[in-house]
Amino acid sequence: GQQLNQSPQSMFIQEGEDVSMNCTSSSIFNTWLWYKQDPGEGPVLLIALYKAGELTSNGRLTAQFGITRKDSFLNISASIPSDVGIYFCAGHTTGANSKLTFGKGITLSVRP
Amino acid sequence: NAGVTQTPKFQVLKTGQSMTLQCAQDMNHNSMYWYRQDPGMGLRLIYYSASEGTTDKGEVPNGYNVSRLNKREFSLRLESAAPSQTSVYFCASKVGGANQPQHFGDGTRLSIL
Repeated sequence: GQQLNQSPQSMFIQEGEDVSMNCTSSSIFNTWLWYKQDPGEGPVLLIALYKAGELTSNGRLTAQFGITRKDSFLNISASIPSDVGIYFCAGHTTGANSKLTFGKGITLSVRP
Repeated sequence: NAGVTQTPKFQVLKTGQSMTLQCAQDMNHNSMYWYRQDPGMGLRLIYYSASEGTTDKGEVPNGYNVSRLNKREFSLRLESAAPSQTSVYFCASKVGGANQPQHFGDGTRLSIL
């Protein structure tokens, strides 16, 4: 089945730094979604991307839908302590019965 | 603005006991989903309901059953709980349409001894 690859599993940055996360696949996706999960809570949608090449921002977050439709990245600028959490990419493949496929997530730690 | 509500938030069961996890959404969404989240495994789809009256298996359905009680509610049942079903369970919902994002509840943390 389709797989989304996120690496590394964990990232450690200093407060104020920018960070970029990639999500890649060998399959083509119609949508890319980025979620954040805080400890003890469910994933919350950050950004949704629907067209190849699309670049969308949400505050300090920016995400892009790769031209090949096989990848996406999420940038966080000027990180703050509350950016700590697990960041998941997810995507819908083509076809009528398309389901949402999730990456395994990247755990972000921000040192004050 | 409740969104997706899951009950209970925590539960401890003994092996062999049965349990139903409840999920309700107030967003008038057509589709609802049950996932389990295990360390290093990400989110794996157990069952889903594309619309009221339909249910389908996901990636890891064995040991589970579901009921789409009405448009708002989608329950997950463990008939005979096993330690391998210790996990965090998430319910999600979305409007109709193939590429719409899903919205998640806060999860049920289930431990089976």
